[in-house]
Amino acid sequence: NAGVTQTPKFQVLKTGQSMTLQCAQDMNHEYMSWYRQDPGMGLRLIHYSVGAGITDQGEVPNGYNVSRSTTEDFPLRLLSAAPSQTSVYFCASSYTGTGRLKTQYFGPGTRLLVL
Amino acid sequence: EDKVVQSPLSLVVHEGDTVTLNCSYEVTNFRSLLWYKQEKKAPTFLFMLTSSGIEKKSGRLSSILDKKELFSILNITATQTGDSAVYLCAVEAASSGSARQLTFGSGTQLTVLP
Repeated sequence: NAGVTQTPKFQVLKTGQSMTLQCAQDMNHEYMSWYRQDPGMGLRLIHYSVGAGITDQGEVPNGYNVSRSTTEDFPLRLLSAAPSQTSVYFCASSYTGTGRLKTQYFGPGTRLLVL
Repeated sequence: EDKVVQSPLSLVVHEGDTVTLNCSYEVTNFRSLLWYKQEKKAPTFLFMLTSSGIEKKSGRLSSILDKKELFSILNITATQTGDSAVYLCAVEAASSGSARQLTFGSGTQLTVLP
């Protein structure tokens, strides 16, 4: 199993550009989520999905869109990048069985710099 | 709004010392509390706690949850330089419907000096 993969590893954008951060998992996990991590702020939830076709907003959803057309993929779209979106982005997935989030598996992260 | 607070923010110790990291929380519909270790890259899972008073152990690391006082501690005994990392606490809470979310604390940066 590859686990959770993210691409790209690093990206530089200009203000106003759009891009998609890719996330894929091969563990058949129902639950997938996107976090951003900023210095001193811990991990903050952007969007999450409990299954294909179902997405919901987390703590900091503004400026980001997601979709979940398959169980495996959960891309994160930045519609018009802003310098405030400079951060490290982590995708994570887990089972949801027995009503609790099991161990979350994190991808390696994408470092995004918006100029 | 769900809140998770970790203390201390940073800690510097020498090899062999014992450390205690703290995590307090205020969430609605608590489900579980998780500890992660983050070195250079992605967090890696350490423990999940759901019941009060039951200690989870893994080698030199152990953790316990107090659901009445709304906190957890992570103990590391006989620290080694390889324990240097950011330790993250996260709380799973059931939000509306069947959706569940993790709220993370800002982490404790542990540095173990040789």
